[in-house]
Amino acid sequence: EAQVTQNPRYLITVTGKKLTVTCSQNMNHEYMSWYRQDPGLGLRQIYYSMNVEVTDKGDVPEGYKVSRKEKRNFPLILESPSPNQTSLYFCASSRAGEQETQYFGPGTRLLVL
Amino acid sequence: GQNIDQPTEMTATEGAIVQINCTYQTSGFNGLFWYQQHAGEAPTFLSYNVLDGLEEKGRFSSFLSRSKGYSYLLLKELQMKDSASYLCAVSPRWDSGGYQKVTFGIGTKLQVIP
Repeated sequence: EAQVTQNPRYLITVTGKKLTVTCSQNMNHEYMSWYRQDPGLGLRQIYYSMNVEVTDKGDVPEGYKVSRKEKRNFPLILESPSPNQTSLYFCASSRAGEQETQYFGPGTRLLVL
Repeated sequence: GQNIDQPTEMTATEGAIVQINCTYQTSGFNGLFWYQQHAGEAPTFLSYNVLDGLEEKGRFSSFLSRSKGYSYLLLKELQMKDSASYLCAVSPRWDSGGYQKVTFGIGTKLQVIP
């Protein structure tokens, strides 16, 4: 089954404790993105990647890091989480040339205390 | 910068037709997307408009007017399962690597009532 998976789905952590949210897709897509979704603000792009070892900042990259060492994986790293990073996070992927059709993962709900 | 406006909430009756409007002001324009998002779930792609006019896909249609910076999503024969948020998103530009940047509106929460 073609899908985008994220882990964990739910996470409660404390300020300053490094965490990683994993994202994996099995569709051999070139493009992958991370978004956060907050009430009243909508979906905002954090980082995106056009292929292995090619990443760039989205609209709200502060406090986040990403890497793309393999085509299928695009982890999101919070080196020192803060309460303002409490949010719902989505990973998405799409095929080059068909970028209008993004496939979203199920979401990771993060609470930073 | 980018500014995308859509109503926050709408209510419509099962079996009826509803139109969800979206206006945008962006520095550059490549295309406009509509996504559906049920509560607690991931967004799913509905439509993508590049040229002016109406595109129909079953019960859902999407319209675009580039000159007016305006789009709407039309849902016909509403069903209870259509209760969801509908996200309007605009692609303002391609970046140097050919990637299409996308900016989302805050979404319209549609409630379908019996």
